[in-house]
Amino acid sequence: ETGVTQTPRHLVMGMTNKKSLKCEQHLGHNAMYWYKQSAKKPLELMFVYSLEERVENNSVPSRFSPECPNSSHLFLHLHTLQPEDSALYLCASSQASTSGGNEQFFGPGTRLTVL
Amino acid sequence: AQSVTQPDIHITVSEGASLELRCNYSYGATPYLFWYVQSPGQGLQLLLKYFSGDTLVQGIKGFEAEFKRSQSSFNLRKPSVHWSDAAEYFCAVGPNRRSNDYKLSFGAGTTVTVRA
Repeated sequence: ETGVTQTPRHLVMGMTNKKSLKCEQHLGHNAMYWYKQSAKKPLELMFVYSLEERVENNSVPSRFSPECPNSSHLFLHLHTLQPEDSALYLCASSQASTSGGNEQFFGPGTRLTVL
Repeated sequence: AQSVTQPDIHITVSEGASLELRCNYSYGATPYLFWYVQSPGQGLQLLLKYFSGDTLVQGIKGFEAEFKRSQSSFNLRKPSVHWSDAAEYFCAVGPNRRSNDYKLSFGAGTTVTVRA
């Protein structure tokens, strides 16, 4: 049990659909992250939220829209996706601090397939 | 900017044999280093981490890693591999203790196959 859960675990959607991915952390952390993991590519950091404020957006297309309603929950809203968006989407959390060294704890991921 | 290189894309090892995975980092300050493991269809699990102090760190599942500043390396080792160690392994560096930058930079990963 990693303390970070993600739902759904698998999602198949058409390019015109709207769906949302959900992440919940039970670790009392104050920072949450969305990553995209495509085959044979390094992990791509998409968004970072610290204390429920978005502090990082790595040039992610607007068809991906994150939401962090509180420190325990993180959503990724999807609309009009492209087939190249098919990937494993990982959520992580950490206890961010200025002293650094905070390891990230990952959820199991959502396997997204865009048809 | 911080970066990580894992030179080996794929390693095959016999069960019971030793394993070493290479990791080289580029970082302008004192690095924080991590090794994660990912089993198929799963998220990443932290194996071990280095922040400071003893350069040989012990982790879970019998893994250890050695930080070598002169070589900018943080190689992962296991003396005797089990079939269940077949997975993908990621090295990561960060964050900088002098700033609020707490992002991790990950290597591309090394896939380990264990043969009977």
